[in-house]
Amino acid sequence: SQQGEEDPQALSIQEGENATMNCSYKTSINNLQWYRQNSGRGLVHLILIRSNEREKHSGRLRVTLDTSKKSSSLLITASRAADTASYFCATQTNAGKSTFGDGTTLTVKP
Amino acid sequence: DAGVIQSPRHEVTEMGQEVTLRCKPISGHNSLFWYRQTMMRGLELLIYFNNNVPIDDSGMPEDRFSAKMPNASFSTLKIQPSEPRDSAVYFCASNPTAFRSYNEQFFGPGTRLTVL
Repeated sequence: SQQGEEDPQALSIQEGENATMNCSYKTSINNLQWYRQNSGRGLVHLILIRSNEREKHSGRLRVTLDTSKKSSSLLITASRAADTASYFCATQTNAGKSTFGDGTTLTVKP
Repeated sequence: DAGVIQSPRHEVTEMGQEVTLRCKPISGHNSLFWYRQTMMRGLELLIYFNNNVPIDDSGMPEDRFSAKMPNASFSTLKIQPSEPRDSAVYFCASNPTAFRSYNEQFFGPGTRLTVL
């Protein structure tokens, strides 16, 4: 199965609410990245967290990494309708190889 | 910069035909990746290059698939002969730093391939 697995598969919330997505992985990593994909478009990088980091912030995004549990979470605060997209985690090994999860589809209702 | 450029954006072909997908990475980027995305299998890494050299092609599904990077500004992914199960969106991505220097990948808009 995929190195990175997200849950939930789908998430629907109201504008203004927070959205939390989780990612689990199986092997040792160098870093973990989160990407966003709008329907019919390519992936856009959001944030990277290295294996020696525990938390990172970027605007309304907050990412945590727990290497002991091999898991990460992405929190989007004060969501907006424009945040509607699919979100993917990607783990990168020390060999430089990236593996993407299956993604979480987020719908933010206005 | 125009970003990663892929062509064609859409391709419809018949089973058995040869398909060639093209990618122009962002100027100055050293690494290039080819991915395939389907509903069933998600986003799969097919192959990646560093300084025009293939580093890992373990994701290439079978011998019908081949990829080349003749120079730093161009790569192709070829499928010959194509089969209906090859229908997917194929993404090219490039990375601005040297091998094992870990940073974000910049994705192209993708090529949507339909094999009838």
